[in-house]
Amino acid sequence: AQKITQTQPGMFVQEKEAVTLDCTYDTSDQSYGLFWYKQPSSGEMIFLIYQGSYDEQNATEGRYSLNFQKARKSANLVISASQLGDSAMYFCAMRELNTGFQKLVFGTGTRLLVSP
Amino acid sequence: GAVVSQHPSRVICKSGTSVKIECRSLDFQATTMFWYRQFPKQSLMLMATSNEGSKATYEQGVEKDKFLINHASLTLSTLTVTSAHPEDSSFYICSASPGQGDGNTIYFGEGSWLTVV
Repeated sequence: AQKITQTQPGMFVQEKEAVTLDCTYDTSDQSYGLFWYKQPSSGEMIFLIYQGSYDEQNATEGRYSLNFQKARKSANLVISASQLGDSAMYFCAMRELNTGFQKLVFGTGTRLLVSP
Repeated sequence: GAVVSQHPSRVICKSGTSVKIECRSLDFQATTMFWYRQFPKQSLMLMATSNEGSKATYEQGVEKDKFLINHASLTLSTLTVTSAHPEDSSFYICSASPGQGDGNTIYFGEGSWLTVV
């Protein structure tokens, strides 16, 4: 069964600094996708970045990059030049692509607080 | 980009009544929709997977008779919380996928805050 682990309940970072949010996963599927979402207090799920298991390059989207280490089964999110608006919950998620429904399963989340 | 609309965004209902939440894909056909529940300060827990024209597949521990899911068309899935109780108060959010396309093609609705009084 697929499993996502986020070991950091909370992280603090100063504005303009970089921060890494950890995510490890477990799956027996060879084809899968890894996601990071941001959830502000309003509840909406904001898609940040995606990494496919066969992608050789680490995904990048603006200030977000995904440090994908397949052998270690980790998919850490790096946010560069943190902004006050980055304060939110961050969820790592995985989708097994060879299973029937391709369910998206979430980790427990990390609350990021950016201070001035 | 693709949009998934969820309605209502907030609802308050009396204990013992039923409440329906709709999830619509506005510009694509969603062969699969997923329903999640999220308690305060917790993660999103998958409740069920809904496929158009067939019965929903519920996750272990989710009461099928309590949380009725209907996926009547390729653009609409509904979640009905029957005989709601205060412990059903939660944030419910849906997501939709157009099918077996790229792995990253999955879109979320805005979510619905349910309060049972």
